[in-house]
Amino acid sequence: AQSVSQHNHHVILSEAASLELGCNYSYGGTVNLFWYVQYPGQHLQLLLKYFSGDPLVKGIKGFEAEFIKSKFSFNLRKPSVQWSDTAEYFCAVTNSGTYKYIFGTGTRLKVLA
Amino acid sequence: NAGVTQTPKFQVLKTGQSMTLQCAQDMNHNSMYWYRQDPGMGLRLIYYSASEGTTDKGEVPNGYNVSRLNKREFSLRLESAAPSQTSVYFCASSEAWNSPLHFGNGTRLTVT
Repeated sequence: AQSVSQHNHHVILSEAASLELGCNYSYGGTVNLFWYVQYPGQHLQLLLKYFSGDPLVKGIKGFEAEFIKSKFSFNLRKPSVQWSDTAEYFCAVTNSGTYKYIFGTGTRLKVLA
Repeated sequence: NAGVTQTPKFQVLKTGQSMTLQCAQDMNHNSMYWYRQDPGMGLRLIYYSASEGTTDKGEVPNGYNVSRLNKREFSLRLESAAPSQTSVYFCASSEAWNSPLHFGNGTRLTVT
């Protein structure tokens, strides 16, 4: 069955620190991968997406993610976090077989000013 | 420019009561989804509709039913609410199966 794992549940960083959040998925077919962000009290918003082509994708607010097919991974990175990046981050995957859109359990990021 | 509209925003039910959560999108999207969000468990897919006229079970369908009334509307029904269904429910839509999701603002449901 299709699934998504996010191993970091809570991350605390100081401003200007670098960020990497892990995401692994289990599905062998054609997938599309996404990262969403949820700020406190709000609904999810798209950060970036991977469909095909260059495995390094850039999103909004300085975020990027790298798709490594051999590792079934799609990790999110940001070179220097800001206090305003405090939020919960979700990895998601869809596949052409079932049309299901599955999310990971999320990573709660807190950035200290 | 409403996007995805969910009603109601808040609801309190007693165990055994029924209710329907409404969702409508005005973006002419083909696919619609219902999720529940619980602390530490992320978003779990309840049901989805890949296109008008079709519905399929997601990860946690038990205790719920859905209706894709037309292309715009996708409702979620709780026939006999249970405390385990206390959660925040999000409706979402997308142009296609591999497109980004657009979310509604959520319904906070409490079952006592």
